[in-house]
Amino acid sequence: AQTVTQSQPEMSVQEAETVTLSCTYDTSESDYYLFWYKQPPSRQMILVIRQEAYKQQNATENRFSVNFQKAAKSFSLKISDSQLGDAAMYFCAYAAPTSGTYKYIFGTGTRLKVLA
Amino acid sequence: EAQVTQNPRYLITVTGKKLTVTCSQNMNHEYMSWYRQDPGLGLRQIYYSMNVEVTDKGDVPEGYKVSRKEKRNFPLILESPSPNQTSLYFCASSSLGTATDTQYFGPGTRLTVL
Repeated sequence: AQTVTQSQPEMSVQEAETVTLSCTYDTSESDYYLFWYKQPPSRQMILVIRQEAYKQQNATENRFSVNFQKAAKSFSLKISDSQLGDAAMYFCAYAAPTSGTYKYIFGTGTRLKVLA
Repeated sequence: EAQVTQNPRYLITVTGKKLTVTCSQNMNHEYMSWYRQDPGLGLRQIYYSMNVEVTDKGDVPEGYKVSRKEKRNFPLILESPSPNQTSLYFCASSSLGTATDTQYFGPGTRLTVL
């Protein structure tokens, strides 16, 4: 069965510093996608970054980047120059192909606090 | 404005009283899905739908029903709600249901079953 594990329930970072959130997953599939979603206090789910498993190059989106280690089944999120607005719950997610579409599996989340 | 809407946003009900949470999207998306979010468990997929009249079970479908009679609407039905269905529910949609499509989430529905 596919699983997504986020082992850090909570993390803190000083404003302007860098923080890395961890995520590991388990799958026997070769075709899959990985995501990081942000959920601020408003509860809105916001896509932060997406990584295709067949791409070796790590995805980046402005201050957000990932370290994708396919063999180790690891997918960490690095936030550089942290800002107060980055404070949120972050979910790692995995999309598995099934019957012509994709099924999504989310991790349990990491709450990120940004200290001024 | 492109959006996914859910109603109601908050609902308190009692055990056994049938309820429906509506979900509607205005983006002509093929794929729609329901999730529940619980503390310490993250989001779990309840049902998803690739197109009209095509639905499939996610990881936690027990106690829920869905229907997809129109492309834009995907209601979640709880025929006989129980306290363990107290949760935050999200509807989401994406263009074609491929993983390269961005999933757009609704604002969430906070359900409490007494």
